[in-house]
Amino acid sequence: QSALTQPASVSGSPGQSITISCTGTSSDVGSYNLVSWYQQHPGKAPKLMIYEVSKRPSGVSNRFSGSKSGNTASLTISGLQAEDEADYYCCSYAGSSTFVFGTGTKVTVL
Amino acid sequence: EVQLVESGGGLVQPGGSLRLSCAASGFTFSSYWMSWVRQAPGKGLEWVANIKQDGSEKYYVDSVKGRFTISRDNAKNSLYLQMNSLRAEDTAVYYCARDQSYGDYDYWGQGTLVTVSS
Repeated sequence: QSALTQPASVSGSPGQSITISCTGTSSDVGSYNLVSWYQQHPGKAPKLMIYEVSKRPSGVSNRFSGSKSGNTASLTISGLQAEDEADYYCCSYAGSSTFVFGTGTKVTVL
Repeated sequence: EVQLVESGGGLVQPGGSLRLSCAASGFTFSSYWMSWVRQAPGKGLEWVANIKQDGSEKYYVDSVKGRFTISRDNAKNSLYLQMNSLRAEDTAVYYCARDQSYGDYDYWGQGTLVTVSS
């Protein structure tokens, strides 16, 4: 049950695209297409942005997209906006009805 | 409107106990797995425990096994977390979350702060 590995920080200018990686193992990310992504603004509860690797909940901007290759999942934010500045966490099913979150990535809009 | 409201947090001494509650409304509570997720001050999210719709299955992160117990009362639309033998490292904001499907936490409460300190 080790945390998934994310870069501590990622930054980009308004309008640019950024990608956040989430690296796990063959026991979690690599074995299941059950990776979700959450956005968290300071002092707020997390918000679901992507589920099942690449699906977007109703109401989430199509500027957010997800993908996976092997043991690494990725979240891409295109057309970066000031409101996207937040912490982002991935989460993966880890088998036996347990789950593991990533270490978190702080996104800064320059 | 789906709402999850946690309560029961506070200051407790190491070795003490605390029971968190999460009141759910706006959806059919008995139809969903529910989870507790915590966040230590300035740190990341950590999955703590979950419970099946009828309470028949419960799972925990290794660090709380044997100390924490998750439970639910579907008649009261409530989720609980009994925390015993608390340690300083259990200090965190505890969120309850609805599991839409296999870790898709689509609704979260506002969180309740648990501080373990002497």
